Amino acid sequence: GENVEQHPSTLSVQEGDSAVIKCTYSDSASNYFPWYKQELGKRPQLIIDIRSNVGEKKDQRIAVTLNKTAKHFSLHITETQPEDSAVYFCAATHYNQGGKLIFGQGTELSVKP
Amino acid sequence: DAGVIQSPRHEVTEMGQEVTLRCKPISGHDYLFWYRQTMMRGLELLIYFNNNVPIDDSGMPEDRFSAKMPNASFSTLKIQPSEPRDSAVYFCASSARSVVETQYFGPGTRLLVL
Repeated sequence: GENVEQHPSTLSVQEGDSAVIKCTYSDSASNYFPWYKQELGKRPQLIIDIRSNVGEKKDQRIAVTLNKTAKHFSLHITETQPEDSAVYFCAATHYNQGGKLIFGQGTELSVKP
Repeated sequence: DAGVIQSPRHEVTEMGQEVTLRCKPISGHDYLFWYRQTMMRGLELLIYFNNNVPIDDSGMPEDRFSAKMPNASFSTLKIQPSEPRDSAVYFCASSARSVVETQYFGPGTRLLVL
C-alpha cells in the first residue's frame, strides 16, 4: 500500500522567511496530493492540492510542486507570518484507492515574529 | 452551511464502558470518513462510506470498533468496550462527489478513557 514520508518534523523560521516541507510517496499510481493545515486544537483544513497532471500550483503565498518521477512533492510558503504557525500534513491517494488518504506524520511550523 | 458536526466534543469515560461518537456530514456530500489522531500514529483513516455504504473498514483497529451510517445525514462510531489506548481525537470528514477532492473535517471528539 501507499506510504508517505514527511520532513522535517519541526521547522522554525523568522517572519518573512520562506518555509519548505517535503513529502515522498511510494505508490507511483497516486495522483492526488492535498496539503492540510491544522492549528492547535483545531480541525485539519485543506490549504492546497495538486493532481498528477500538473507540476506546480500556486495560491498567493502558498505553492506546491510535484515530481512524479522522483515521487515527491513539496509545500512552499513565502513571506511567512505568525498565523502560518501550525502543523502541516501532506497526503496522497489515487482514485483506485477509493479516496483513502494516506497522511504524512506532519510538520510543526513555528514562525517567530 | 454549518459544516460537519460532531458530538460530543469531549468525552471522558472509564475503561470497559461503551462510547458512541456522532457525526452529521455536510448536506449533499456523498462520502463520509472517520479518522483517529494520536501523537504516536498521526492521522489514520478508520473507515469510510459512500452513499451510506461502508467501502473500506481496513483501518478499524479491532472488533471493539464499529461504525454505521443509517442515512445520509448521520453516522456513528462505537467503541465497546473502551480501553485507555483508545484515547485520541476522532474526526469525521465528508466530501462531495469524488474520493479525490477536498475532505471537510468536523471539529473532532476528544476521547479520554481512564
